[in-house]
Formats: sequence, C-alpha cells, structure tokens
Amino acid sequence: AQSVTQPDIHITVSEGASLELRCNYSYGATPYLFWYVQSPGQGLQLLLKYFSGDTLVQGIKGFEAEFKRSQSSFNLRKPSVHWSDAAEYFCAVGAAGGATNKLIFGTGTLLAVQP
Amino acid sequence: DVKVTQSSRYLVKRTGEKVFLECVQDMDHENMFWYRQDPGLGLRLIYFSYDVKMKEKGDIPEGYSVSREKKERFSLILESASTNQTSMYLCASSPTGKKGTQYFGPGTRLTVL
Repeated sequence: AQSVTQPDIHITVSEGASLELRCNYSYGATPYLFWYVQSPGQGLQLLLKYFSGDTLVQGIKGFEAEFKRSQSSFNLRKPSVHWSDAAEYFCAVGAAGGATNKLIFGTGTLLAVQP
Repeated sequence: DVKVTQSSRYLVKRTGEKVFLECVQDMDHENMFWYRQDPGLGLRLIYFSYDVKMKEKGDIPEGYSVSREKKERFSLILESASTNQTSMYLCASSPTGKKGTQYFGPGTRLTVL
C-alpha cells in the first residue's frame, strides 16, 4: 500500500539558516511526488512536484527537493529560511498510472522560525 | 488563478444535526476532493469525485456522504453530526491533465457540540 512518512513532527530553525524536511514514501511503481505548504489559517498550496526526469526539482519561494529512488526519499530543502516560511509542510505521493488525481499525504512537519 | 471557495470558515453544530459543507471551484476541474485534517494525522481523504454525479469513497467515508450535481460544486454531508467529526475540512479540485496537482480551499473548521 502507498504511504508517506514525515519523521519530524516539529522543527525549529533560525532565520537565515538552511532547512531540510524529510519525506519517505512507499510505493510499488513510479510515484508522483509533491510538497505542499499550509500557512496559518490557509488551505494548502503546491510548492513543487516531481513526475520524472531531473531528480532535483525547483519550486516556488526558493524551495527545492531531491528525489532519491534508492532511499525512497523526497526531501525538501531551502538554503536560507525566512520568517514567512513558518508553516506546516506536507509531502504527498500520487499514483503515476492512476486514473484519478488521488494523493496520499504525510502527517506534516510544522516549521517554526526563530528570529 | 484557480479559486476554490468553501461556504464557511467556521461552523458550530449540535450532535445529531445534518450538516452541509459546500465547495465551489471556478476552473472547470473534473476532480474534486474532501479531506479532513486533524493534528498528527495529516490529511485524510473522505470522498472524491471525478465527474458530475460520480463519487468514490476515500479512506474514511464512514459518517459522511457527498453530492456532485454540477461540475463546479461538491458538497460534503454529515447525516448526523457527532463530536468525533469536529475537525478542519478541506476541499480541493484538480484537472485531469495535471496529475496530482490539487488546488485547495481555505478550509472549514467544524465544531460539533
């Protein structure tokens, strides 16, 4: 069965520091992988996605993620965090061959940014 | 920009009431979804619809039903609300051509007393 694991429930970083949020997935075929962000009081917004090709993908707001098939991982990174990045981040996996656009979401990582 | 709107941001209902949560999207998307979001559990899919009048159960459909009479509108119905349905409810839509890319509404925080 498909699943997504985000091992870090809560992370605190200082403003200007680098960030890496971990995501591991379980899926038998080629997955589609996504990172979404939820700012306080808002719905989710797509940060970036991986379908195929270059395993390093760039997203909005200066985020990037790297797909590593051997590790079943799709970690999100940002070289320098801004206070406005404080939010909850969700990794998701979708079925590459699926007929619908269903996603399986991880449990989320809540990011706090210290001044 | 794609816009997904939900009828209420906050809702308070009594146990046993019938509750309707409405979601409207303005981009002619074929697929629509209802999730509930609970702390520590992430987003869990309740129901989704891939066409008008078509619906499929998600991972936690018990206690819920849905209706999609028009392409732009997807309603979630709690036939008899219970306290364990107190949660944040998120609606999303997605075009068939953009695999997995979903556009979310702002959510409805439902409290059942």
